[in-house]
Amino acid sequence: GESVGLHLPTLSVQEGDNSIINCAYSNSASDYFIWYKQESGKGPQFIIDIRSNMDKRQGQRVTVLLNKTVKHLSLQIAATQPGDSAVYFCAENRDDYKLSFGAGTTVTVRA
Amino acid sequence: EAGVAQSPRYKIIEKRQSVAFWCNPISGHATLYWYQQILGQGPKLLIQFQNNGVVDDSQLPKDRFSAERLKGVDSTLKIQPAKLEDSAVYLCASSFPGQGSNEQFFGPGTRLTVL
Repeated sequence: GESVGLHLPTLSVQEGDNSIINCAYSNSASDYFIWYKQESGKGPQFIIDIRSNMDKRQGQRVTVLLNKTVKHLSLQIAATQPGDSAVYFCAENRDDYKLSFGAGTTVTVRA
Repeated sequence: EAGVAQSPRYKIIEKRQSVAFWCNPISGHATLYWYQQILGQGPKLLIQFQNNGVVDDSQLPKDRFSAERLKGVDSTLKIQPAKLEDSAVYLCASSFPGQGSNEQFFGPGTRLTVL
C-alpha cells in the first residue's frame, strides 16, 4: 500500500488566510520529500522540496516543515489566493529517484 | 524551456482495444517516468527509464502494458488489451538527476476512458 498519505482529503480556506496541509509518511528511510500542486487538467507542478537533514524550508509564500520523529510533513501557504485552489500531493523519495505519492488534499479558496 | 509534451490529451476506447501514448521529455533529461493516476488518487509509478534502459518496471502490469524508449529520448506506453480499470490519466515525467534535486517535471497527461 501507499506509505505517504494526507490527513484530510479536503480543505476550505478563506482568501487571505494561511493554509496548512498535512501529510504523514511511514517509511523512516525516506530522505527527500516534495510537495506538488495539481490543477484540474494539468500535471503535478513542483512547489517545494526538503531533505531529511532539514526540518524547515521556505519558498515564496510557502513553507515546508518536516518532523522526522513523528514522520510528519506539512505545507504552509501564506495569504492564500484563489489561484492556490488545487489538489496538493506530498511525495517521498525512496530510492533511485522514485517518488511515492499520497492521495492528495483538495484545497478550495473561498472569496 | 519547453516542458514535457504528451499526446494525445484524451482518448476513449472500448475494452479489449489497444491504445498508445507518446511522451517527449524535457531536452537533456535522462530519466523518464510513466505514472498512472486514477481519479481521486495520487500518481502511481508504472515504469522508470534511465536513458534507454529500464530502471524499474515492478509496478507495470506486463501482461497488458508495455513501454519503450528506444533512442533514449521519446517514449511510448501501450496498453493491449485495455480493461475498464485502466481508465485513468497517464502522466509522463522527466528529470535530470545529479543537480542536487530529484525534481520531476510532469507533462499534462493523457486521459484514457475505457468503455
